[in-house]
Amino acid sequence: DSGVTQTPKHLITATGQRVTLRCSPRSGDLSVYWYQQSLDQGLQFLIQYYNGEERAKGNILERFSAQQFPDLHSELNLSSLELGDSALYFCASSVGVGTYNEQFFGPGTRLTVL
Amino acid sequence: EDQVTQSPEALRLQEGESSSLNCSYTVSGLRGLFWYRQDPGKGPEFLFTLYSAGEEKEKERLKATLTKKESFLHITAPKPEDSATYLCAAVASGGSYIPTFGRGTSLIVHP
Repeated sequence: DSGVTQTPKHLITATGQRVTLRCSPRSGDLSVYWYQQSLDQGLQFLIQYYNGEERAKGNILERFSAQQFPDLHSELNLSSLELGDSALYFCASSVGVGTYNEQFFGPGTRLTVL
Repeated sequence: EDQVTQSPEALRLQEGESSSLNCSYTVSGLRGLFWYRQDPGKGPEFLFTLYSAGEEKEKERLKATLTKKESFLHITAPKPEDSATYLCAAVASGGSYIPTFGRGTSLIVHP
């Protein structure tokens, strides 16, 4: 158990809908990362927050957005869902933002868009 | 563009049969090279971080090494419980500390 929690574990929805994925980092970690993992793309970085502020952005679609709240939990919002958005979504956390801070991953949310 | 390539894509071993997984990276100045283990349907689990060529780290049956172009994960006398996908990731110099992940090597160890 990495100490990172994610809810829900599974999510099944229809195209065009909007969903919210939630992540609670390890106690003491200030940095939260979101990743998407699909069979054909591997693990792709989406976005990073550090202590409530956006720190880095990767291949995140405009239909997706995220935020980190004062209690450090984070939410990833996915809207106008398409079939291709079906994937595993992971949240990871680390103490800080430097290379020396390894990331600890949550168990993931499996999103299925029908 | 930063790239990380892992080979082989899949590897089947007999219990006790040692082997190595390869991670080749092309990044503009390596800050760190990470190895993770991922079990099916679960999040990646951190194994090692390597920072400079010549560095080696060990954990049980696993040893990670780093050169200027690639990293190897050596598995000595593997057991069935070592079966998993092994991911490597590289962090390049620059403003962010975001890793670029390889596609992984799926390892199956038969008893």
